[in-house]
Amino acid sequence: KQEVTQIPAALSVPEGENLVLNCSFTDSAIYNLQWFRQDPGKGLTSLLLIQSSQREQTSGRLNASLDKSSGRSTLYIAASQPGDSATYLCAVRPDGNQFYFGTGTSLTVIP
Amino acid sequence: DTAVSQTPKYLVTQMGNDKSIKCEQNLGHDTMYWYKQDSKKFLKIMFSYNNKELIINETVPNRFSPKSPDKAHLNLHINSLELGDSAVYFCASSRASRTQYFGPGTRLTVL
Repeated sequence: KQEVTQIPAALSVPEGENLVLNCSFTDSAIYNLQWFRQDPGKGLTSLLLIQSSQREQTSGRLNASLDKSSGRSTLYIAASQPGDSATYLCAVRPDGNQFYFGTGTSLTVIP
Repeated sequence: DTAVSQTPKYLVTQMGNDKSIKCEQNLGHDTMYWYKQDSKKFLKIMFSYNNKELIINETVPNRFSPKSPDKAHLNLHINSLELGDSAVYFCASSRASRTQYFGPGTRLTVL
């Protein structure tokens, strides 16, 4: 069974810093991987989806990479802003129909 | 326009009661999901429906019964509610194996 781990569990950075969030998974046979953002008391917002054949995806200040062979993905956030404060979740899809979620990284960007 | 909507947003009820949570998506997606997020913020899939047919049924007590009257709706009915059912329940939808879009969640509290 796929297990997804996110490190660190919590991260606090000053505004303007670049940062990296890590996601690791135990089974490299994945279909795709998705990064989400969850604000307190809210649902999940999709940030980036990387297919198993891709190495990275970019959207604005966000860049997600995927290394299937090592079972890792990273989410890079450039020039962090207070509005980036949220919990970031990594989800791995081993086949077409379900996701396994990590426990998330709680990010605080200090003004 | 809300893409994935859930009702109610909050649900407080006594142990032993039966309750339902409704989910609707207006994205034209063919696959819908129910997730449970526990007090530790861990998200776990419960059910997945594709074109009104059950695809995934994780280890969920049979007190939980999903019902999909059409492709745009996936309702969750829970019988004989227990204290451990208290959680936030999220509905999501996708087109096949593409990006999942989540609803805002329903916070269920069982007293």
